[in-house]
Amino acid sequence: DGGITQSPKYLFRKEGQNVTLSCEQNLNHDAMYWYRQDPGQGLRLIYYSQIVNDFQKGDIAEGYSVSREKKESFPLTVTSAQKNPTAFYLCASSGLAGDHEQYFGPGTRLTVT
Amino acid sequence: AQSVTQLGSHVSVSEGALVLLRCNYSSSVPPYLFWYVQYPNQGLQLLLKYTSAATLVKGINGFEAEFKKSETSFHLTKPSAHMSDAAEYFCAVSAATGRRALTFGSGTRLQVQP
Repeated sequence: DGGITQSPKYLFRKEGQNVTLSCEQNLNHDAMYWYRQDPGQGLRLIYYSQIVNDFQKGDIAEGYSVSREKKESFPLTVTSAQKNPTAFYLCASSGLAGDHEQYFGPGTRLTVT
Repeated sequence: AQSVTQLGSHVSVSEGALVLLRCNYSSSVPPYLFWYVQYPNQGLQLLLKYTSAATLVKGINGFEAEFKKSETSFHLTKPSAHMSDAAEYFCAVSAATGRRALTFGSGTRLQVQP
């Protein structure tokens, strides 16, 4: 089945540690996205990539980093510089033609204490 | 730049009653508009989308939405609520040209009372 996988589902880290969230897709989509979700705030764009080895900052990129070495993979690193990292993180992908519909993974809930 | 406003962070209806979730958008270019649904601790699932074809769009699970350019609205409706409709609903906009990423509203949590 085609889709997007995110792992792990739940992640716990101590303050000051970097942590990497995994996102893999087998939909053959060129574009991939990372969103952060906080209660009552909807989804906010962290980073996006439209082609391998290229990515762009979204609206809240500070304290995060990404890489896009393969078309299928777009890992997100939450660094110790991110002041409020506890959140639900969603990865999505889309094609570059057509109507911008995005397909979402199941999400990773990160808790930093 | 685009933005989305969802009126009402919480909506409660009785089972069998009409569901109406409101979404207003702003966009400097023709928009693509989407409604997504999210169940607790899960990702988002597409309900329906407007892509400049028919202004009345039908989606999954009996939902539909009407694009009204003059009112910059894209409200989501369902004639008869079911208990399984209880979830959080997000309206999103993307410009037909430029950045493909979606801009989301803050969401509306729908409760369905028996």
